Amino acid sequence: DGGITQSPKYLFRKEGQNVTLSCEQNLNHDAMYWYRQDPGQGLRLIYYSQIVNDFQKGDIAEGYSVSREKKESFPLTVTSAQKNPTAFYLCASNGGQVGQPQHFGDGTRLSIL
Amino acid sequence: GQQVMQIPQYQHVQEGEDFTTYCNSSTTLSNIQWYKQRPGGHPVFLIQLVKSGEVKKQKRLTFQFGEAKKNSSLHITATQTTDVGTYFCAAPNSGNTPLVFGKGTRLSVIA
Repeated sequence: DGGITQSPKYLFRKEGQNVTLSCEQNLNHDAMYWYRQDPGQGLRLIYYSQIVNDFQKGDIAEGYSVSREKKESFPLTVTSAQKNPTAFYLCASNGGQVGQPQHFGDGTRLSIL
Repeated sequence: GQQVMQIPQYQHVQEGEDFTTYCNSSTTLSNIQWYKQRPGGHPVFLIQLVKSGEVKKQKRLTFQFGEAKKNSSLHITATQTTDVGTYFCAAPNSGNTPLVFGKGTRLSVIA
């Protein structure tokens, strides 16, 4: 069954630690996206990638990094430079054309210990 | 950059009442999409509107795209508890760039 898999579902981070959130898709989609959602808020774009080995910053890229070495995978690293990382992180994908609907993973909830 | 403004932020209704959420943009949109996010879940694509004045229906849900393609609405007739969640509109930014999401309308349905 095709879809987007995010792991882990819950993640806890100590101050000063980097953590990496996994996102894998088997939909053969070219484009992948990372969003951050805070309680009661909309979705804010962190990074996106429209093709392997290429990615662009979104609206809130500071304190985050990504890689796109494989079409299926788009991991997000939350670095220690991100001062307020507690949030719900959503990964999405689509065929890459402007305006195409996006398919979302189940998300990862990150909390600071 | 383009922004899509969504109102209201919250809506509480009695089961059986109707519900409407509105999405507005200062710029002409090439298309608009609607998503639903259940509590604790992830956004799920509902529909895409492309044509000026377009109206689409999905059972009790009616979606409209304004004549000027700057606004859109989602109307739910006779809400049910299964309609609970946050409804987002989203539209492509100019050029080959990702969707811009509204902040969403959180719907609560009181049984």
